[in-house]
Amino acid sequence: GQNIDQPTEMTATEGAIVQINCTYQTSGFNGLFWYQQHAGEAPTFLSYNVLDGLEEKGRFSSFLSRSKGYSYLLLKELQMKDSASYLCAVRESNYQLIWGAGTKLIIKP
Amino acid sequence: ETGVTQTPRHLVMGMTNKKSLKCEQHLGHNAMYWYKQSAKKPLELMFVYNFKEQTENNSVPSRFSPECPNSSHLFLHLHTLQPEDSALYLCASSQDQGSGANVLTFGAGSRLTVL
Repeated sequence: GQNIDQPTEMTATEGAIVQINCTYQTSGFNGLFWYQQHAGEAPTFLSYNVLDGLEEKGRFSSFLSRSKGYSYLLLKELQMKDSASYLCAVRESNYQLIWGAGTKLIIKP
Repeated sequence: ETGVTQTPRHLVMGMTNKKSLKCEQHLGHNAMYWYKQSAKKPLELMFVYNFKEQTENNSVPSRFSPECPNSSHLFLHLHTLQPEDSALYLCASSQDQGSGANVLTFGAGSRLTVL
């Protein structure tokens, strides 16, 4: 069946590094997305991976291993404004998006 | 402001009321989506319009009725809702449903409470 797993909640310290994992089982694979959603706001696009490897974009990086059905989002030099929910989504072969339930990241001073 | 505007931001309605949610985008996108977001659950796709044609209806109860008069506007008409329909309703748009990475741009949502 279709399934996306990511931790419900994580806590990290300002200035540190945090890795948010996402594992998936889907009907085919056509790309993996990470979105950020601050409380009460719209989800906003962070990254898209369709090939294996690491994509770096400033303080944020996203990794994909298609053979393992696994991705992670790496956030470096954490800032208080990084407190948000992080949503993992996989696009299947038929272009349908399957979403995880999101990981709430809490940053402490 | 993301380029996708949703109104109202908050709505409280009784089970016998009729109301509508509105979504507007001026990004030149051709696909528009309605999602339901409930606490600690994955986003649930409700409806998709691609070039004004409805392409997805994910077994949504008939008390939810979408309308897409043009590529820039999307409505969700609500009637005789149930308390379990209380949720955040997100509108999104993308270039078109089958293109490239098809990144979604979301609105901030309409928080619906059904009493």
